Amino acid sequence: NAGVTQTPKFQVLKTGQSMTLQCAQDMNHNSMYWYRQDPGMGLRLIYYSASEGTTDKGEVPNGYNVSRLNKREFSLRLESAAPSQTSVYFCASSERWGSSNTEAFFGQGTRLTVV
Amino acid sequence: AQTVTQSQPEMSVQEAETVTLSCTYDTSESDYYLFWYKQPPSRQMILVIRQEAYKQQNATENRFSVNFQKAAKSFSLKISDSQLGDAAMYFCAYRSDAGGTSYGKLTFGQGTILTVHP
Repeated sequence: NAGVTQTPKFQVLKTGQSMTLQCAQDMNHNSMYWYRQDPGMGLRLIYYSASEGTTDKGEVPNGYNVSRLNKREFSLRLESAAPSQTSVYFCASSERWGSSNTEAFFGQGTRLTVV
Repeated sequence: AQTVTQSQPEMSVQEAETVTLSCTYDTSESDYYLFWYKQPPSRQMILVIRQEAYKQQNATENRFSVNFQKAAKSFSLKISDSQLGDAAMYFCAYRSDAGGTSYGKLTFGQGTILTVHP
């Protein structure tokens, strides 16, 4: 099925470990995003990529890095995980603008626990 | 920067009844989009309804409708004939239409947990 595929679905890390969350979309969207969801705070933007070859910080970028590998793939890396990064992470994609293509499509989320 | 506020952390409704979820937002822009997303326990984010700010007519999608008050910066979601499957977390979201700088980024509210009682 077309959409956004995000892996893994669950992960437990020890403080200081590193990991990469993978995301791929097959809708030929230009823009991709990483959000984190915390109780009582909704979803907050970590990083985004407006187009292939570009990335930029969102609202909560500290402790994360991203790579837009090609138009399809956008990964999120935690270099040294901290308990404050325990969260549910969502990858999403959409077109940048245009009245007919405003919907964002989301992956199924990754529940990350840092102990 | 835009902000989105959902002041109801939890709401409940009886099956077949109507419930309204509230959302307010703050922006200095005139062109934007507003969305309601549903997140069931599966965590999947599902688009429920969207509203273009330039349209005066309120959007409707089957049992779901919005009350969009642009001057008041209010965007509420009404669910009619509530069903057990409507139970979920609901998020209100804002997207700027400033094509040169917005890049489709979404700003979300805090979410409202909706419980549907049989």
